[in-house]
Amino acid sequence: EIVMTQSPATLSVSPGERATLSCRASQSVITSLAWYQQKPGQSPRLLIRHASTRATGIPARFSASGSATEFTLTISSLQSEDFAVYYCQQYSNWPWTFGQGTKVEFK
Amino acid sequence: EVQLVESGGDLVHPGGSLTLSCSASGFTFTTYSMHWARQAPGKGLEFVSDISQNGETTLYADSVKDRFIISRDNSKNTVYLQMSSLKPEDTAVYYCVKGGGDWGQGTLVTVSS
Repeated sequence: EIVMTQSPATLSVSPGERATLSCRASQSVITSLAWYQQKPGQSPRLLIRHASTRATGIPARFSASGSATEFTLTISSLQSEDFAVYYCQQYSNWPWTFGQGTKVEFK
Repeated sequence: EVQLVESGGDLVHPGGSLTLSCSASGFTFTTYSMHWARQAPGKGLEFVSDISQNGETTLYADSVKDRFIISRDNSKNTVYLQMSSLKPEDTAVYYCVKGGGDWGQGTLVTVSS
């Protein structure tokens, strides 16, 4: 099973600041990597697929990069609605696996 | 608009069984694989099962293998998850997921005596 490790566990950011989240895979997933946003009481929302492609309707302030084992999600200027938990997920090998999440909280 | 509506969640005793359903609309159901994922209270996310477009190929996480069965009825645009020998650690919100990343709102399964 591919283990996904996210860092940091919690990121304290002020509105308007830049947030950078990291995700590492225990073996190469090429670019079969997705990022999700989850708010309390809601289901996960797809932000990014194929490591860097924004899903439909996702604002341009969300960008992502990486390949193989190292991936990054960047939120260029945090808005109030961006405070949430973010998960990376690989779909290269079954079982598809998630990182443990990064909570982006208000500083 | 893609809609995935799960149903069937309930309180069940350990060792019991339950079947979840997911009714899909807003897309061509037969062209997408479908999945079930779950999230235990206050915990992270786990994919538990996958089914191919025609239903011939299924995959399971080790944690549910030999206890859960995924199936689909393409005439009804519905995917199912039959769960048996349920354990307290199966307690979670179960989500139906469309290939490509759309998630339903989830249905809560609680396994407790």
